[in-house]
Amino acid sequence: DGGITQSPKYLFRKEGQNVTLSCEQNLNHDAMYWYRQDPGQGLRLIYYSQIVNDFQKGDIAEGYSVSREKKESFPLTVTSAQKNPTAFYLCASSDPREGGSYEQYFGPGTRLTVT
Amino acid sequence: QKEVEQNSGPLSVPEGAIASLNCTYSDRVSQSFFWYRQYSGKSPELIMSIYSNGDKEDGRFTAQLNKASQYVSLLIRDSQPSDSATYLCAVSGSGGYNKLIFGAGTRLAVHP
Repeated sequence: DGGITQSPKYLFRKEGQNVTLSCEQNLNHDAMYWYRQDPGQGLRLIYYSQIVNDFQKGDIAEGYSVSREKKESFPLTVTSAQKNPTAFYLCASSDPREGGSYEQYFGPGTRLTVT
Repeated sequence: QKEVEQNSGPLSVPEGAIASLNCTYSDRVSQSFFWYRQYSGKSPELIMSIYSNGDKEDGRFTAQLNKASQYVSLLIRDSQPSDSATYLCAVSGSGGYNKLIFGAGTRLAVHP
């Protein structure tokens, strides 16, 4: 049963603490992404990775870090430097092919609340 | 910053009617276009992709693309209350690194 899993579904943290969100996929996709969604807004790209051991900053990377040590896994750390970390975090993956088709598939998301 | 614009809605349609959702984009080099459906509190689900000018039909859904006008739309025929959700338009960015730019979404409400 192929798919993308994210854990935990809900996460509560105190301000000043770092927190790591998990994302695992068994779709054999090379590319993985992290997005953030705030109420009434579209998805904003935090980081993306096209292959293992390589990742690039997206539009809002400040205060976040990632690693890509395995093809299946792309964890996101929300650091204390992120000013407004409360949001819905979405992980996605895709199988980029020459000639187009950038279809991205999403995991169920992690809702992070920082107080 | 390249943009994708959608009317936030809500777009309210009666059950059985056609719902028409629209999206405009600013990057002329965009080649791939997607519609995602997002139920409240859930993650986006890909429902349509379109790459060429014209119409693409899949069941009750039709995606329409006009690259000259930088416009993509989604038609939902025979709308059902279960279609009530936010529909996100996504457009491939330039740079060849598989990046999508998302609109803020249109909320659709189908009432019985």
